[in-house]
Amino acid sequence: ILNVEQSPQSLHVQEGDSTNFTCSFPSSNFYALHWYRWETAKSPEALFVMTLNGDEKKKGRISATLNTKEGYSYLYIKGSQPEDSATYLCAFHPGQNFVFGPGTRLSVLP
Amino acid sequence: DVKVTQSSRYLVKRTGEKVFLECVQDMDHENMFWYRQDPGLGLRLIYFSYDVKMKEKGDIPEGYSVSREKKERFSLILESASTNQTSMYLCASRLQGAGEQYFGPGTRLTVT
Repeated sequence: ILNVEQSPQSLHVQEGDSTNFTCSFPSSNFYALHWYRWETAKSPEALFVMTLNGDEKKKGRISATLNTKEGYSYLYIKGSQPEDSATYLCAFHPGQNFVFGPGTRLSVLP
Repeated sequence: DVKVTQSSRYLVKRTGEKVFLECVQDMDHENMFWYRQDPGLGLRLIYFSYDVKMKEKGDIPEGYSVSREKKERFSLILESASTNQTSMYLCASRLQGAGEQYFGPGTRLTVT
């Protein structure tokens, strides 16, 4: 079974802080890397789908980078807001099914 | 907007009962998936289907079966529920290729 790791497991930041977390995945058989945001009592929603080494994607205050050669992706949140509080999941997609990491649980304190 | 619905948000069942979890998607997606999510673990794939009447085992299929009689509907069946099947169950669908998965709201199942 392929292993996808995320760090940290949880994070508490103050409103306005910038933060980042990591997803590590196998560097072979890469097809795509997905980031999802999962808010409490809601469905996970896709943030980014990344397919090329060196990809950088941005959506508002959230951005992500991808390094397929070394097998990691970073997710950055600039100026965190309470509504950013959620679990952030990454999913490694080697071509068939997805392998999800355990998630990083972010709490943004007002 | 893609919509994935699940039949129940919360469910409480007794050990040994047969349990059906239903999932319906409205965007004509070929691929459908059932996951369970437990604290400290990522979403783990139970079963998936790439087409009608087609099913494949995921990483943790033991104690589960599935049915896909129509393209839009994918059912997860617990033949004889056990307490270690207490979990959050998520259904998802997507088109073929690198596209994202669309998730349902989840069913929190408690087996007592």
